[in-house]
Amino acid sequence: QQQVKQSPQSLIVQKGGISIINCAYENTAFDYFPWYQQFPGKGPALLIAIRPDVSEKKEGRFTISFNKSAKQFSLHIMDSQPGDSATYFCAASMKGPEKLVFGKGTKLTVNP
Amino acid sequence: ETGVTQSPTHLIKTRGQQVTLRCSSQSGHNTVSWYQQALGQGPQFIFQYYREEENGRGNFPPRFSGLQFPNYSSELNVNALELDDSALYLCASSMRVGEQFFGPGTRLTVL
Repeated sequence: QQQVKQSPQSLIVQKGGISIINCAYENTAFDYFPWYQQFPGKGPALLIAIRPDVSEKKEGRFTISFNKSAKQFSLHIMDSQPGDSATYFCAASMKGPEKLVFGKGTKLTVNP
Repeated sequence: ETGVTQSPTHLIKTRGQQVTLRCSSQSGHNTVSWYQQALGQGPQFIFQYYREEENGRGNFPPRFSGLQFPNYSSELNVNALELDDSALYLCASSMRVGEQFFGPGTRLTVL
């Protein structure tokens, strides 16, 4: 019920390409869906987040697409750059103590 | 405005020992959450503190305990350390409802 499933586990993209990471959830009580970026040896950094009342949110090169009926959401990174190489985590939380439930992460490598 | 800070950066302990990790929340944030991140995994929620009271707990045994102080800084204590406790421990601060901002973490190694 609390699980968030993330795919793929790893992703290699050429510079300038589009990176797409997908997540699926089961618990319909989740109402907040953030994406975090983590570099080696660092804590996760909030990248972009969405609530289920909208189907898409864009910030710069980063876009979240949200499909409430399918219980899926995805991160699109346009014009991917080598500096985007990091591990990306999707997460979900619900009202109450807003504990984040994380996916297992996707290691993105952007080749120059 | 300062971000979330954690200390120490790294720590090595032996099995059975006790450890205390510290976190200073971002200015203006009154809620602190702690997460454990095993190697190659996503962070897992340990517990959350709001105004010095525990406000929710994940699936961790009682030997994981915490405190929050009046200035909203926080401590995570782990007793009777086990080898599986080796992980990156992350602190995140937020307002009561809102985005969580993570610190750099404390890398704990249990030998």
